[in-house]
Amino acid sequence: EDQVTQSPEALRLQEGESSSLNCSYTVSGLRGLFWYRQDPGKGPEFLFTLYSAGEEKEKERLKATLTKKESFLHITAPKPEDSATYLCAVQATQGAQKLVFGQGTRLTINP
Amino acid sequence: KAGVTQTPRYLIKTRGQQVTLSCSPISGHRSVSWYQQTPGQGLQFLFEYFSETQRNKGNFPGRFSGRQFSNSRSEMNVSTLELGDSALYLCASSLGSDQPQHFGDGTRLSIL
Repeated sequence: EDQVTQSPEALRLQEGESSSLNCSYTVSGLRGLFWYRQDPGKGPEFLFTLYSAGEEKEKERLKATLTKKESFLHITAPKPEDSATYLCAVQATQGAQKLVFGQGTRLTINP
Repeated sequence: KAGVTQTPRYLIKTRGQQVTLSCSPISGHRSVSWYQQTPGQGLQFLFEYFSETQRNKGNFPGRFSGRQFSNSRSEMNVSTLELGDSALYLCASSLGSDQPQHFGDGTRLSIL
């Protein structure tokens, strides 16, 4: 069974303090790994797709990386507006569009 | 470009009733997926439709059903509502396999 585990569950940082969020996964065959951001009362907002080990994607203060067993979301010099829950999901080669999500990391950036 | 639109945003029902939720995907997206989000279980896949055909179904009871219309709009129905069905129901659309799914803001369903 495909599984995704995210750590830590919650993370509190000071503005400007860089850190990384972890997403460990087991999947029968990886079609893609997706990172989303979710704000309270909103649906998940797409951030990145990673397809193969060694791939990296960047957007503003965020950088996502992928290995055969895990993905990291690196946050550099975060700002309070980066506070949100970050979700990781995998899509298997078998299973059409089904995404299997982790429980998320709740990130709080204090000014 | 308009995003995924879900209606209604909030719904309150009582046990035993049934409910229908609606989703309008991003223009041009033919794949629509539904997810249930709860604090305890997180986001769980319900089903996916592509060109009016259900391609995949998650581990939910038969009380949960859906359909897709020729214009790609989708509805999901839950019959004989139970207290445990209280959740945020999210719809997502995409261009197809390998492409990211884009989510609406969901319908918050509360069962009394």
